[in-house]
Amino acid sequence: KNQVEQSPQSLIILEGKNCTLQCNYTVSPFSNLRWYKQDTGRGPVSLTIMTFSENTKSNGRYTATLDADTKQSSLHITASQLSDSASYICVVGRTGGFKTIFGAGTRLFVKA
Amino acid sequence: EAGVAQSPRYKIIEKRQSVAFWCNPISGHATLYWYQQILGQGPKLLIQFQNNGVVDDSQLPKDRFSAERLKGVDSTLKIQPAKLEDSAVYLCASSFRDRNWELFFGEGSRLTVL
Repeated sequence: KNQVEQSPQSLIILEGKNCTLQCNYTVSPFSNLRWYKQDTGRGPVSLTIMTFSENTKSNGRYTATLDADTKQSSLHITASQLSDSASYICVVGRTGGFKTIFGAGTRLFVKA
Repeated sequence: EAGVAQSPRYKIIEKRQSVAFWCNPISGHATLYWYQQILGQGPKLLIQFQNNGVVDDSQLPKDRFSAERLKGVDSTLKIQPAKLEDSAVYLCASSFRDRNWELFFGEGSRLTVL
């Protein structure tokens, strides 16, 4: 069954600290993996996208890694800011173009 | 480029009433999606269009939900009659082959059914 599981479900960190969010998937055939940030009351916005041959991708303070062998990805946030408080959703695309499977998301709270 | 436009942003109705949501995708994006996102959960695909045609509507409750995409551009999602469990955010997204099918989302339409 094609599934995407994220952990932790929620996370609270202090401003300035780093954190890492996890994504495990069983999607096949694999095409790409994306991380989205969703602020409260807004639509998701793409942070990174990685294909099978890429194992790391950065976007400012966000760095995503991909291990296609173990089917795991992580999103590392460096020097967190209050504006990082949001849900982070892992989305895996299947080969063939259209099909995508969403994780339930990790809710991140950054405290001052 | 202009983003995905959705309306209305908020809608409150009573159960058994009907509601319609509208979406205008990014110009040139052939693929359009409607997702339902219940509070605390990830988006769930309701229906996916490729131009005018339906690619996937396997999770669309067809007894009460309907969607159309006229002329392969904008789209309308309708719920009739609404149930309490339909309270959610309805997200529209579009994608394009040359962007590796990256999803571009609208701001969503929040539905509350009383």
